Amino acid sequence: QQPVQSPQAVILREGEDAVINCSSSKALYSVHWYRQKHGEAPVFLMILLKGGEQKGHDKISASFNEKKQQSSLYLTASQLSYSGTYFCGTDYVTGNQFYFGTGTSLTVIP
Amino acid sequence: NAGVTQTPKFQVLKTGQSMTLQCAQDMNHEYMSWYRQDPGMGLRLIHYSVGAGITDQGEVPNGYNVSRSTTEDFPLRLLSAAPSQTSVYFCASSPLSAGELFFGEGSRLTVL
Repeated sequence: QQPVQSPQAVILREGEDAVINCSSSKALYSVHWYRQKHGEAPVFLMILLKGGEQKGHDKISASFNEKKQQSSLYLTASQLSYSGTYFCGTDYVTGNQFYFGTGTSLTVIP
Repeated sequence: NAGVTQTPKFQVLKTGQSMTLQCAQDMNHEYMSWYRQDPGMGLRLIHYSVGAGITDQGEVPNGYNVSRSTTEDFPLRLLSAAPSQTSVYFCASSPLSAGELFFGEGSRLTVL
């Protein structure tokens, strides 16, 4: 029941942009995005609820298309600090069971 | 403000032993959950709770037991450890079942 993320890994140079996609075969109730640094716990970035909203957090933004049951995370003008593994998380019906995708490893190099 | 506290941070067990991973939060969150993280598998939900006295299974509950006697605590019990349970375990809490998850620092478990 895990959502599917793509790509699995991406390497960027500082200043480049990236898009990470998260899709599901089941209807989504909300979508979360988290970033995890190596050896640390995941850290919340943003949450998107049904309604097709788009949110932004500094130079990181996300969209949620409930008709297509997918969300995308946009990282613009990437910084070294953006490196880590990004996870989308979704719940399907009541919001009680929360499932994470398999993650996208993002590496930003100078 | 401590947030979500997990203990122990590291543990080595022999096959067949039992143990309890402790999780406590001081944010008065109703929702608490346990995940395991394995390479290439992301975070998989083991058990979750929407309040004291209420628990339910996630996607990989076999071999694990939980209870929620208070709002603050949500321990995870391994009944008879197996090498397949070698993993990093994260406890997370949220004020709402669909709200931001606050994670503990993780517990690295190795079963020999």
